[in-house]
Amino acid sequence: DTAVSQTPKYLVTQMGNDKSIKCEQNLGHDTMYWYKQDSKKFLKIMFSYNNKELIINETVPNRFSPKSPDKAHLNLHINSLELGDSAVYFCASSSTTGPGNTIYFGEGSWLTVV
Amino acid sequence: ILNVEQSPQSLHVQEGDSTNFTCSFPSSNFYALHWYRWETAKSPEALFVMTLNGDEKKKGRISATLNTKEGYSYLYIKGSQPEDSATYLCESSDSWGKLQFGAGTQVVVTP
Repeated sequence: DTAVSQTPKYLVTQMGNDKSIKCEQNLGHDTMYWYKQDSKKFLKIMFSYNNKELIINETVPNRFSPKSPDKAHLNLHINSLELGDSAVYFCASSSTTGPGNTIYFGEGSWLTVV
Repeated sequence: ILNVEQSPQSLHVQEGDSTNFTCSFPSSNFYALHWYRWETAKSPEALFVMTLNGDEKKKGRISATLNTKEGYSYLYIKGSQPEDSATYLCESSDSWGKLQFGAGTQVVVTP
């Protein structure tokens, strides 16, 4: 069983569209994250949720809206997609919010905006 | 500004040789350092977590050390094998819970 699973793995879409990437973890973790791997391959945190509550919201355009229906799911919805949104997005989870927790990553979702 | 820096950015190693590379991080308010192994087209996988100055961790042929006073960690690979080829990421977290990844060191082991 995949611990952190995200779908779709690949997504090609046109500018202006709205799309969602789903994430689920079966580790019983309280905290979930979305990371973006930028063009220089850096992993940057976008959002963090703990028990369905938003705790980290880095400088991310309002077009990105995370939604956590329960603590095992954290979906990423993106409105009005732009070319610059093309990237790999990683979902992740950890047991708690405290520092030093090991992060478990999904396999990534490759988003291409054309 | 990337406060967590890894060097070198990439390195090529002959199979059987040993190698090491560094991660530097802010030493103030330091809480923990993680090393992750990231193979192409896969997700990053945790190798070690270290919290105390002088910590040393080992997993097979891979080991890591931590110096929190000067803000650096070394990762060592002994007797490199082709399956060690990956990007090795370090991630530092401070006592406020802020965490940051380095850009990674890409290791290519050639037979």
